[in-house]
Amino acid sequence: AQSVTQLDSHVSVSEGTPVLLRCNYSSSYSPSLFWYVQHPNKGLQLLLKYTSAATLVKGINGFEAEFKKSETSFHLTKPSAHMSDAAEYFCVVSWKAAGNKLTFGGGTRVLVKP
Amino acid sequence: KAGVTQTPRYLIKTRGQQVTLSCSPISGHRSVSWYQQTPGQGLQFLFEYFSETQRNKGNFPGRFSGRQFSNSRSEMNVSTLELGDSALYLCASTLTSGTDTQYFGPGTRLTVL
Repeated sequence: AQSVTQLDSHVSVSEGTPVLLRCNYSSSYSPSLFWYVQHPNKGLQLLLKYTSAATLVKGINGFEAEFKKSETSFHLTKPSAHMSDAAEYFCVVSWKAAGNKLTFGGGTRVLVKP
Repeated sequence: KAGVTQTPRYLIKTRGQQVTLSCSPISGHRSVSWYQQTPGQGLQFLFEYFSETQRNKGNFPGRFSGRQFSNSRSEMNVSTLELGDSALYLCASTLTSGTDTQYFGPGTRLTVL
């Protein structure tokens, strides 16, 4: 079965320092890769999406992610964390054969310290 | 353009009852997918509807069902509720059935007592 693994369940950073959230997926033909963010008691908001164009994808709020096929990874980064970045982040994959079915990683909860 | 809307936002039911949740997709979107989010199991795919037809189904018991209307609005129904059905139910819409970006609603928080 296809799977997505987020390597850290919790990440704590200081405001103004870089954020790195790690994600690996099981290899398959033509995955589409997404990062979503969920603030407390809210739905999921799309941060960015990779669909086989440029390997470095820029998203909203200063986030970007790099697709590395050889490592089957899609890590999310932000150069400088802001207090408003405190939330849960999900790495999500879909495969053409599965249509619109999204497979979610377990999530990474980000804490931003002042 | 209005986003995905879900009603109700909060619901409290007792074991054995049934419940119906509603989702209105973004205008022009024809595909609606449903997901269950729990602390223990995370986010899991329930099913997808496109043009009033179920296109894909996750690994949930038959107590979970859904439908889609001609205006693309979708409902999901859970019968004979169990305590473990307590969850946040999220609906997402896309233009077509494929690998388009999915846009999520705020969810319906269901509590089963």
